[in-house]
Amino acid sequence: QQQVKQSPQSLIVQKGGISIINCAYENTAFDYFPWYQQFPGKGPALLIAIRPDVSEKKEGRFTISFNKSAKQFSLHIMDSQPGDSATYFCAAGTNQAGTALIFGKGTTLSVSS
Amino acid sequence: EAQVTQNPRYLITVTGKKLTVTCSQNMNHEYMSWYRQDPGLGLRQIYYSMNVEVTDKGDVPEGYKVSRKEKRNFPLILESPSPNQTSLYFCASSSSGPTPHEQYFGPGTRLTVT
Repeated sequence: QQQVKQSPQSLIVQKGGISIINCAYENTAFDYFPWYQQFPGKGPALLIAIRPDVSEKKEGRFTISFNKSAKQFSLHIMDSQPGDSATYFCAAGTNQAGTALIFGKGTTLSVSS
Repeated sequence: EAQVTQNPRYLITVTGKKLTVTCSQNMNHEYMSWYRQDPGLGLRQIYYSMNVEVTDKGDVPEGYKVSRKEKRNFPLILESPSPNQTSLYFCASSSSGPTPHEQYFGPGTRLTVT
């Protein structure tokens, strides 16, 4: 019940295309859903996050779509660029002090020019 | 510059030889955590600390120890490393818990145990 399932494991998108990464969770207590971006040789960094009181959050070319009833959320990268090539991790957590952030297994995105 | 630093960045050691990976943050964060990253398994939490002298186990604590004697430092100790602890390790910190606050990750330590 603590798992966050992420798909696909890897993704190749042409420059200018839309990249979509999906995540699903089981624990209905989760109320914070961040996405982290990791470039080779670097630590993950927060990209965008959403709370379940909204169905969508957009920051530039990055959008999180959230479906509470289906317990799913996804990251959309519009107009994908070679500089977006990285590993993306979805995660889920609660506000409860001391509880962990549960990460998905990651998606390696390659944007071809 | 706000950052989390880890040392060493790369380490090759032999089975059973005790080692320590240091982690330090300069953001006055209360919460610190250690993760390991393995191909196909994502990021898994090893230990975390809510504040000085307060630590607790994460998902994969076996074979690891931690201590939090100062707010800024959170070293990871492998008393008797084994080959299955070969991994990429990340330290992270956040202001007061991993959610809903942004976690800042260090650059990683790649450990190889032969």
